[in-house]
Amino acid sequence: SSELTQDPAVSVALGQTVRIACQGDSLRNYYAIWYQQKPGQAPVLVIYSDNNRPLGIPDRFSGSSSGDTASLTISGAQAEDEAVYYCNSRDSSGHRYVFGAGTKVTVL
Amino acid sequence: EVQLVESGGGLVKPGGSLRLSCAASGFTFSSYSMNWVRQAPGKGLEWVSFISDGSSYIYYADSVSGRFTISRDNAKNSLFLQMNNLRAEDTAVYYCARGLPGTARPFDYWGQGILVTVSS
Repeated sequence: SSELTQDPAVSVALGQTVRIACQGDSLRNYYAIWYQQKPGQAPVLVIYSDNNRPLGIPDRFSGSSSGDTASLTISGAQAEDEAVYYCNSRDSSGHRYVFGAGTKVTVL
Repeated sequence: EVQLVESGGGLVKPGGSLRLSCAASGFTFSSYSMNWVRQAPGKGLEWVSFISDGSSYIYYADSVSGRFTISRDNAKNSLFLQMNNLRAEDTAVYYCARGLPGTARPFDYWGQGILVTVSS
C-alpha cells in the first residue's frame, strides 16, 4: 500500500509533549518527512529524513521512525505550534510522493 | 532569499485548460528538482508532479497523469504546469515547491499558492 495513515486530531496542554504518528508500508523503505501548515499559509518543512530539522525549526520538534511507523514529537508544545501536521514519503514505486491526511494539533 | 511565486490560476470551465507558472528567485534554480502540490478547499495536501533539475525525470500522480504536463525553463528560472481536460475535482490551491537534493528530497521552500477553480 502507498497510503500513509495519521490520526485526525490530537490535543496537548501548553508545555507538555505530544507525539503524532504516521503509519504506512512505504516507511519501511523511505524516509518520513513532516510539514506544518497553519490556516491560510503554505506548508513549512519541520522534519526530514526521519529526524533532521531545517534551519530555523525549534529543537522541540523531533522525529523518529521504526518499521512502518514514523513519529513527530513536540516536546514542550507552544501556542504557536497549533497547526495541521502532514507526514510525507515516497510511494511504493519510489518515484511518487504521498501525504498523510494530516493531524490537527490543538494546544490547550 | 528564496522566493517562489505562482501565477496563472483562475476560474475555468470543466474540460478547459490552464497553465500555471512558478517564478523562482534567490537560489540556483537549475540545481534543484521542483514539484507541484495541491490542496482542495478544506482538504489535505496532494502531491501532483515532480521534475528533476535537468528535466530528465518527470513523474505524475495517477489522478493527473495524461492530463497535466510539468516543465521548466532553467534559463528563465521558471516552472510550469500545463493542465488540460480539467475536472471539478482539480479545484484546489496549487503550490510549487523546491526539492532538496538527496534521497528524501523534502520540499524545503513553497510558494504562497494559487487558486484554480473548475466550475461551469
